[in-house]
Amino acid sequence: DVKVTQSSRYLVKRTGEKVFLECVQDMDHENMFWYRQDPGLGLRLIYFSYDVKMKEKGDIPEGYSVSREKKERFSLILESASTNQTSMYLCASCPTGLPGNTIYFGEGSWLTVV
Amino acid sequence: GQNIDQPTEMTATEGAIVQINCTYQTSGFNGLFWYQQHAGEAPTFLSYNVLDGLEEKGRFSSFLSRSKGYSYLLLKELQMKDSASYLCAAMEYGNKLVFGAGTILRVKS
Repeated sequence: DVKVTQSSRYLVKRTGEKVFLECVQDMDHENMFWYRQDPGLGLRLIYFSYDVKMKEKGDIPEGYSVSREKKERFSLILESASTNQTSMYLCASCPTGLPGNTIYFGEGSWLTVV
Repeated sequence: GQNIDQPTEMTATEGAIVQINCTYQTSGFNGLFWYQQHAGEAPTFLSYNVLDGLEEKGRFSSFLSRSKGYSYLLLKELQMKDSASYLCAAMEYGNKLVFGAGTILRVKS
């Protein structure tokens, strides 16, 4: 089975801290995504990557950066966490080509910034 | 840019049929997905359409009209466990996957 693993399920961080959310997939997928999910707003795309060292801004990239140094790992970085970044963060991956039913999500990371 | 619209909430009765609509406007189009998400859990895949028409999978079916930018998810023989949020998502060119805000479905007995 494909597995998308997010390193932390629940985190509590202080305002101004640097936060790393890690995502690892084990199926050699080219494409990886980071979303945040807030009530009433659905999943909003922060960043995505279609290859190693490649990244594209999604719809809400402000306050975030990403890193894709290896194909299997896509990291989301909050340079200076703020309370409005309290949210649930979801990572996903899929291969290039016909995606079909091959988009897989991680379990989610619940981040609280205090 | 992209715009994906779906109703915020729907209520239906156990055993009934419900249709959840989704309209989309995207920069290029490479397929339409439906996901189910229970509270506190990750989304799970339900269906994928890239060509016009109806895809049936057990109690769930999904329809796509590319010319109208329209899709629907049809759930038959509703069960209480179908109470969840249903997410419509469109894949644009360049493998950018964008979601609507989701439809909360409440199934009552």
